[in-house]
Amino acid sequence: DAKTTQPPSMDCAEGRAANLPCNHSTISGNEYVYWYRQIHSQGPQYIIHGLKNNETNEMASLIITEDRKSSTLILPHATLRDTAVYYCIVRAYGGATNKLIFGTGTLLAVQP
Amino acid sequence: GAVVSQHPSWVICKSGTSVKIECRSLDFQATTMFWYRQFPKQSLMLMATSNEGSKATYEQGVEKDKFLINHASLTLSTLTVTSAHPEDSSFYICSALADYYEQYFGPGTRLTVT
Repeated sequence: DAKTTQPPSMDCAEGRAANLPCNHSTISGNEYVYWYRQIHSQGPQYIIHGLKNNETNEMASLIITEDRKSSTLILPHATLRDTAVYYCIVRAYGGATNKLIFGTGTLLAVQP
Repeated sequence: GAVVSQHPSWVICKSGTSVKIECRSLDFQATTMFWYRQFPKQSLMLMATSNEGSKATYEQGVEKDKFLINHASLTLSTLTVTSAHPEDSSFYICSALADYYEQYFGPGTRLTVT
């Protein structure tokens, strides 16, 4: 699976949009981009995933560049409860092992 | 969404003893479950892949004789840390494959070995 690069930390003001970037320049054609988050001392929570089109759900939006080498997770109106480590992971959909390999992620701190 | 539970949520044991952690998929069947370990201020590290009715597949560097994994049913996988030592103190997290594609994570188990 392709590796990802994320900034170690970001700050965001409460009520503002949080834009979390992820670079995955070695992504393969059959690999999806997944986002998970982990609130302190809890298990990871699935947020969203996509292949090449932009995706939106009740939690966030995922913007993938046309060359698929990078993506941005957007939390439209961040709240204090969104403070967490956000992980960007690429893997093949329904791959032989279905393993999720976590990188170091981005610690998003939402400030009041 | 699919729910995964872990028991216990935290455990303290003495050095040299063994401790068992359970991972259950509550509202779906999971032929595949995964076990992760997370040390403070670090990311999750995949330890092993657990398949129902067969032997677990361990990641490189993980001692299979120390971390025993049993996946005897479609809703339950267990991780036993044998002869635990203080360096095994960690946050252990399981995940279950709800269908062929999506994983759902348990809340984690905090293990402290004294």
